[in-house]
Amino acid sequence: EVQLVESGGGLAQPGGSLRLSCAASGFTFSTYSMNWVRQAPGKGLEWLSYISSSSSSIYYAESVKGRFTISRDNAKNSLYLQMNSLRAEDTAVYYCARKAYYGEKFDFWGQGTLVTVSS
Amino acid sequence: DIQMTQSPSSLSASVGDRVTITCQASQDISNYLNWYQQKPGKAPKVLIYDASNLETGVPSRFSGSGSGTDFTFTISSLQPEDIATYYCQRYNNLPPYTSPYSFGQGTKLEIK
Repeated sequence: EVQLVESGGGLAQPGGSLRLSCAASGFTFSTYSMNWVRQAPGKGLEWLSYISSSSSSIYYAESVKGRFTISRDNAKNSLYLQMNSLRAEDTAVYYCARKAYYGEKFDFWGQGTLVTVSS
Repeated sequence: DIQMTQSPSSLSASVGDRVTITCQASQDISNYLNWYQQKPGKAPKVLIYDASNLETGVPSRFSGSGSGTDFTFTISSLQPEDIATYYCQRYNNLPPYTSPYSFGQGTKLEIK
């Protein structure tokens, strides 16, 4: 069974940092591209970042470019999102999502982890 | 950057009704569009991919159509368990990959 489990969320101060993790199981993690998507309270979905299976291709949304860094450790079946210079508007539930092996759909999602940025 | 306009933002319908949601792109995106369902407190789930293909295991009352700039998502006969928010997602698998994915604003579907 495919499972994606996010962790690392919590309360951070404006200007602070957090590192989110996404632990993958039930599939060959090293062969799939992955994404981070967030959802602010009561708002819609916002795609944040993509990383290819080998980390050779990485893309970011303009809203987080230069502040957030996506990475992965295929030996540990884990995806990460390093979030620096956090702002109040970064408050959201953060999801990791697997891109299908064929095509561009996000076929599996984690349950999400809540990040709150507040002083 | 390609803008996606999803409408309506909310919709109230009765069980058994046919429900239609639209998504319009600011420029031609071919069939590069997916549809997701998100129930309260849950992660999104893909229903339709590549504009018109039904994801495995998804009931056949869900369908998608369109290409180019105009896309439609339809529930042929609304069921109580379909209460959710629906999102379109455009993707870009051609260079430049500056922003390969984006979501529409969402449509909150409620039972009348």
